[in-house]
Amino acid sequence: DIQMTQSPSSLSASVGDRVTITCRASQSISSYLNWYQQKPGKAPKLLIYAASSLQSGVPSRFSGSGSGTDFTLTISSLQPEDFATYYCQQSYSTQITFGQGTRLEIK
Amino acid sequence: QLQLQESGPGLVKPSETLSLTCTVSGGSISSSSYYWGWIRQPPGKGLEWIGSIYYSGSTYYNPSLKSRVTISVDTSKNQFSLKLSSVTAADTAVYYCASLRWPTFDYWGQGTLVTVSS
Repeated sequence: DIQMTQSPSSLSASVGDRVTITCRASQSISSYLNWYQQKPGKAPKLLIYAASSLQSGVPSRFSGSGSGTDFTLTISSLQPEDFATYYCQQSYSTQITFGQGTRLEIK
Repeated sequence: QLQLQESGPGLVKPSETLSLTCTVSGGSISSSSYYWGWIRQPPGKGLEWIGSIYYSGSTYYNPSLKSRVTISVDTSKNQFSLKLSSVTAADTAVYYCASLRWPTFDYWGQGTLVTVSS
């Protein structure tokens, strides 16, 4: 299995801050990396696909980068609605795996 | 736009089989563009991929669950289903179905909580 490791596991930040979340794969996954946002009691929502492509309707303050084993999700200026849990996910392999999640909390 | 809806019992006894169905609307489950998947989330924990199926019946399963999981598709009803056998309390989770436009889960159901308890 390809293991996905996110860091940090949790993060406190303020509205307006720039935030970066990292996801590392246990082997190269090219750009087969997606990012999801999940709010309490809701299904995950796709934010970024193929490492850096913004899903339609997602605000431009979200961006993704990376390839191979190291990836980042950046929120350029946090808004109140961005406080949620974020997951990375790889589909390089048919055995799909998710990162453990990063909980973004209000400072 | 696709819509997915999970259905099935919310309570299953230990050692029994969990059965869920996902009904797809707004598109055909026979679309060559999509796989279909099941993902679960134990209370307070992260997401775990269970398995995926193509309309032709080709399946991929999480190795940690493979011995207990069966995913099937019914193209006549535009549905796909999950069966998880020999459940224990560790299988208590919110179960999501989702469309997988490889390699991305782009549409999700709202999720259904399944509790394993006697």
